[in-house]
Amino acid sequence: NAGVTQTPKFRVLKTGQSMTLLCAQDMNHEYMYWYRQDPGMGLRLIHYSVGEGTTAKGEVPDGYNVSRLKKQNFLLGLESAAPSQTSVYFCASRPREPGNSPLHFGNGTRLTVT
Amino acid sequence: GDSVTQMEGPVTLSEEAFLTINCTYTATGYPSLFWYVQYPGEGLQLLLKATKADDKGSNKGFEATYRKETTSFHLEKGSVQVSDSAVYFCALNYWAGNTPLVFGKGTRLSVIA
Repeated sequence: NAGVTQTPKFRVLKTGQSMTLLCAQDMNHEYMYWYRQDPGMGLRLIHYSVGEGTTAKGEVPDGYNVSRLKKQNFLLGLESAAPSQTSVYFCASRPREPGNSPLHFGNGTRLTVT
Repeated sequence: GDSVTQMEGPVTLSEEAFLTINCTYTATGYPSLFWYVQYPGEGLQLLLKATKADDKGSNKGFEATYRKETTSFHLEKGSVQVSDSAVYFCALNYWAGNTPLVFGKGTRLSVIA
């Protein structure tokens, strides 16, 4: 059972380039999340989705877009990358109920913007 | 709003030492409380949880008790090992609804042989 899979694992972008991070889960979870992790900042929520076709903003959504066209996939897009978006990005998922179900995380994507 | 505060790290201990990582929370309702662990190069994984006051969560020798009167959920282990070196996150959310998990900033633990 693969769980939550993130691709790619590493990426280097130049300022202004675009890219899409893919998250795929095979647990039939309704809820999916994108976080970024920076030193001393912990985890910050970028966007999340409570079901196919729905998305919502988290704590730090600016500069990112997301799409949830299929239940198992949650895409995070950077339209015009900036050095401030250098970070490690984590995707997570959980079932709808109960609300306190634990999150299942992927192993992260390390993004460097030069 | 809800928040979680953890002791700042890094914490460095010798093998077999006693570990405490403090976590306190502010919540508007009656949250469930969690500890997640992140090993180097990996994503977070659930270590333990407690869903109501006075519950004790435990796993892999780690324990934490949900203390409503002190709004705390401190993580403890009696004898740490080198393999426990990781970053530990305290978090909360609610049994009902879709409120995203609220995380503390994490505490890095290094255990030396």
